[in-house]
Amino acid sequence: QSVLTQPPSVSGAPGQRVTISCTGSSSNIGTGYDVDWYQQLPGTAPRLLIFGNNNRPSGVPDRFSGSKSGTSASLAITGLQAEDEADYHCQSYDSRLNGVVFGGGTKLTVL
Amino acid sequence: QVQLEQSGAEVTKPGASVKVSCKASGYSFTAYYIHWLRQAPGQGLEWLGWINPNSGDINYAQNFQGRITITRDTSISAANMELRRLNSDDTAVYYCARGDLGSYAYAYWGQGTLVTVSS
Repeated sequence: QSVLTQPPSVSGAPGQRVTISCTGSSSNIGTGYDVDWYQQLPGTAPRLLIFGNNNRPSGVPDRFSGSKSGTSASLAITGLQAEDEADYHCQSYDSRLNGVVFGGGTKLTVL
Repeated sequence: QVQLEQSGAEVTKPGASVKVSCKASGYSFTAYYIHWLRQAPGQGLEWLGWINPNSGDINYAQNFQGRITITRDTSISAANMELRRLNSDDTAVYYCARGDLGSYAYAYWGQGTLVTVSS
């Protein structure tokens, strides 16, 4: 059971916009800890997609954006492309556990 | 460029221990924390702990305290993670990752080490 809750799967057609939610609690996202997002292709290490809630590392397309409100965060992907098909993971810090916590991951399928 | 090179795959038996190494290059090893994470087959990511290579300070995830040891060897810019009393639930890909300054976001990851626990 992951500390952060993500939907197991989402899907969208090419060109569409999809969002992936990440729900936490008062001891992690709700306390103000940053949320980070990763993209993971099969058989590879995760790739940092969004850091500090809404910042993109160099090289990440601006089709990817992050937001945070209260105890939840969201990753939005616009102009969906076939290459976006992957697993997406959210991450934060939890003060009660005194450690880094993750969501269970969301599989994005491009129809 | 920043690189984290991990040791190779391991197959081990229940009750045994495993040690995974992570050799850093391309940056000042003592300037950034090294974190250890794992991912069981078909599952999400799980954080195991971190080490400050400069001071040697460590923080372990509560679920692994007493069973995990993270160390570093600054002379060769490497961090190690040992997990003891293994069971089948410990079968996973283990990753090291660099923790960037003031953040838990991991921009750099090792390639992963598959640890298989099987009798």
